[in-house]
Amino acid sequence: SAVISQKPSRDICQRGTSLTIQCQVDSQVTMMFWYRQQPGQSLTLIATANQGSEATYESGFVIDKFPISRPNLTFSTLTVSNMSPEDSSIYLCSVADETQYFGPGTRLLVL
Amino acid sequence: QKEVEQNSGPLSVPEGAIASLNCTYSDRGSQSFFWYRQYSGKSPELIMFIYSNGDKEDGRFTAQLNKASQYVSLLIRDSQPSDSATYLCAVTFPSGSARQLTFGSGTQLTVLP
Repeated sequence: SAVISQKPSRDICQRGTSLTIQCQVDSQVTMMFWYRQQPGQSLTLIATANQGSEATYESGFVIDKFPISRPNLTFSTLTVSNMSPEDSSIYLCSVADETQYFGPGTRLLVL
Repeated sequence: QKEVEQNSGPLSVPEGAIASLNCTYSDRGSQSFFWYRQYSGKSPELIMFIYSNGDKEDGRFTAQLNKASQYVSLLIRDSQPSDSATYLCAVTFPSGSARQLTFGSGTQLTVLP
């Protein structure tokens, strides 16, 4: 399976600021996704990161709040914009071939 | 609507017992089913996937799929304290891409020494 890394692993941010999370994969993958896991909750799909085109967002998530880039087949970024305490979550990128694997996650706390 | 339901738990079993985790899903056309294990503070780790009706065994783990009943389960034999974690059921739905996963809320399992 692919090895996935995320940066930063955790961060504490102030309300109203933005944070960009990076996801790096050690091999080229077609499908990359971004998920959110709020405290004590399961995983919710934010969007599919499409290489060379705009991301596909799930219901309840919009590009202005969660802009995503996918410049190539090994890298993607998720930005959490204009943060509020409700954005405190773990953000996970994942890649899929036959099955789906998750990165280690970014733990975000918004004060 | 995409829905994946899991028995709420928490579930406690003694060491050496069989742990049974259950999951139902809303769309009869779903094709792919996954079980992930998530330790506290860690990201989900894939345990098993199953695509066809029946049982699929991998070591101490058995996944069971019944598409007619829209039901998938995970059995853990000879449970160990190291199996204590949250188990997440995930399903792909026909309305999404072949790799988009919808997760259940998870079942917290505790194996008591």
